[in-house]
Amino acid sequence: QVQLQESGPGLVKPSQALSLTCTVSGGSIIGGIYAWSWIRQRPGKGLEWIGSIYYSGTTYYSPSLRSRLTISMDTWKTQFSVTLNSLTAADTAVYYCARAVNHTFDIWGQGTTVTVSS
Amino acid sequence: DIHLTQSPSSLSASVGDRVTITCRASQNISIWLAWYQLKPGKAPNLLIYKASTLHRGVPSRFSGSGSDTEFTLTISSLQPDDSATYSCQLYSSFALFTFGPGTKVDI
Repeated sequence: QVQLQESGPGLVKPSQALSLTCTVSGGSIIGGIYAWSWIRQRPGKGLEWIGSIYYSGTTYYSPSLRSRLTISMDTWKTQFSVTLNSLTAADTAVYYCARAVNHTFDIWGQGTTVTVSS
Repeated sequence: DIHLTQSPSSLSASVGDRVTITCRASQNISIWLAWYQLKPGKAPNLLIYKASTLHRGVPSRFSGSGSDTEFTLTISSLQPDDSATYSCQLYSSFALFTFGPGTKVDI
């Protein structure tokens, strides 16, 4: 049974970069059909797709975040990561990693809360 | 950009009630719509994909319907564990993934 778990800092200062890692257990991230993805939920808001990466290395990013965003994958460690630069308070959110198949997110991590504050 | 709206934004219902939530897309998205159940502190739970296909392990009281621009999620007999926020999500070749604002269901 595939499980996902996010890890990373809970508190980041404004203007700094946020790096989060998602560890995939119980399965492989190798294979072309899955899009390994990041999604966030800001306080009082709906879910927001951040971006996705395929095993091939192809990435897709939200247009609103693209200029600050990098998603990468480490297949040996069965992990994928997101880096978001130039943080502001508006980036405070619960960040989820998820697996997408057939354009649907079928497995999610439990989420990690990130607060941007000095 | 393709936008999703949900109605109502919140509702209160009783155990055993039939509940319907509507998701509308600003453009035709065919059947590429999914529904999720969100609870605080828990991983979101996929309920329905491709507009009407029940995800494995999801109780049969949940059902989805619709196509093109209007979609519905129905809970046929509301249970206490169904207290949650429900969010729709579309896929399009242009917008990729977009989520609706959510509908909070209180019991």
